[in-house]
Amino acid sequence: EAQVTQNPRYLITVTGKKLTVTCSQNMNHEYMSWYRQDPGLGLRQIYYSMNVEVTDKGDVPEGYKVSRKEKRNFPLILESPSPNQTSLYFCASSYSRAATQYFGPGTRLTVL
Amino acid sequence: DQQVKQNSPSLSVQEGRISILNCDYTNSMFDYFLWYKKYPAEGPTFLISISSIKDKNEDGRFTVFLNKSAKHLSLHIVPSQPGDSAVYFCAASDSGGGADGLTFGKGTHLIIQP
Repeated sequence: EAQVTQNPRYLITVTGKKLTVTCSQNMNHEYMSWYRQDPGLGLRQIYYSMNVEVTDKGDVPEGYKVSRKEKRNFPLILESPSPNQTSLYFCASSYSRAATQYFGPGTRLTVL
Repeated sequence: DQQVKQNSPSLSVQEGRISILNCDYTNSMFDYFLWYKKYPAEGPTFLISISSIKDKNEDGRFTVFLNKSAKHLSLHIVPSQPGDSAVYFCAASDSGGGADGLTFGKGTHLIIQP
């Protein structure tokens, strides 16, 4: 089954404790991206990757890092999480930059 | 500057009636438009898309209309069903160049009332 998976689905952590949210897709997509969804703000892109070893900032990259060492995986790293990063995070992938994106189920992160 | 705008945060429609969700965009380079549907606790799922070479695309109960001169698109759902209650996101992209992917609106929460 074609899908985008994210782990964990729910995470509660404390300020400053490094964390990683994993994302994996099995569709051989080149383009992957991370979004955060906040009330009244819709979906905002954090980082994206056009292909392996090619990543770039989206609209709200501050406080986040990503890596793309393999085509299927695109982890999101919060080196020192802060309460303003409490949000719902979605990973997505597509064949190309402008094509239809397929989303993972989401990760609800709470930073205390 | 919001390039994709959904000006109605919520919309309530009676079951069996038509639901019309609207979306406006400002970037004239956008040439591919999509609608996503999102239920609580799930990721957005692709619903329907339209290329700028068309002005209408239909898929079952869902039809998307594109008015390029007005930079406006709309999603029609006929007839509306209780399972259509969800948040709907409009998205747009420029396939011709640049590094940007999809630009999303803030979403419209559609509520179908029995």
